[in-house]
Amino acid sequence: GESVGLHLPTLSVQEGDNSIINCAYSNSASDYFIWYKQESGKGPQFIIDIRSNMDKRQGQRVTVLLNKTVKHLSLQIAATQPGDSAVYFCAGPNAGGTSYGKLTFGQGTILTVHP
Amino acid sequence: NAGVMQNPRHLVRRRGQEARLRCSPMKGHSHVYWYRQLPEEGLKFMVYLQKENIIDESGMPKERFSAEFPKEGPSILRIQQVVRGDSAAYFCASSPGLDATGELFFGEGSRLTVL
Repeated sequence: GESVGLHLPTLSVQEGDNSIINCAYSNSASDYFIWYKQESGKGPQFIIDIRSNMDKRQGQRVTVLLNKTVKHLSLQIAATQPGDSAVYFCAGPNAGGTSYGKLTFGQGTILTVHP
Repeated sequence: NAGVMQNPRHLVRRRGQEARLRCSPMKGHSHVYWYRQLPEEGLKFMVYLQKENIIDESGMPKERFSAEFPKEGPSILRIQQVVRGDSAAYFCASSPGLDATGELFFGEGSRLTVL
């Protein structure tokens, strides 16, 4: 949904727990999604991506799930570590965009991992 | 292999002054994107450039903002007659080609503060 307030969703977990961060999208024609991690004072860092012809993709300690029926994707982080503390954004190419580099970013979720 | 380099990292301007933000893409990358991030929000696309060409400036404000990517040298985002609302982090990203799936690399950002 749209960001209308000043407060990002937050998720607090204990070190070692699994984390699940959610993202909803509105354009059913979207065919590619990316998750980015942004640490304080830094630029977004690519984590994992998924195309719409897949419903699951796994990386190192991360899994992205895509549910096209309800237009929802999630990022699962296994055995969360303090270094995972950051803001996480889902993103996808703009509908009718000129390239895959023209992205629409979600609102972001603040993940805090407690030792 | 240096990543995307942005400078200055921090810039303070008084209302009415000009701000120039520079971005050197990763070696071998010929596509540059500029994004703006307001506090506690996701990044918003501004402009997409290739060498000597503006490909898509649909996210640029109509006045006071301009961008270029000359044949030689970095890409420059220029903001004339800055106002307080221009205070934000400006991120540059680069990619090697049009199909930038998963290959969009962001710089650390330039944080503009307008007094």
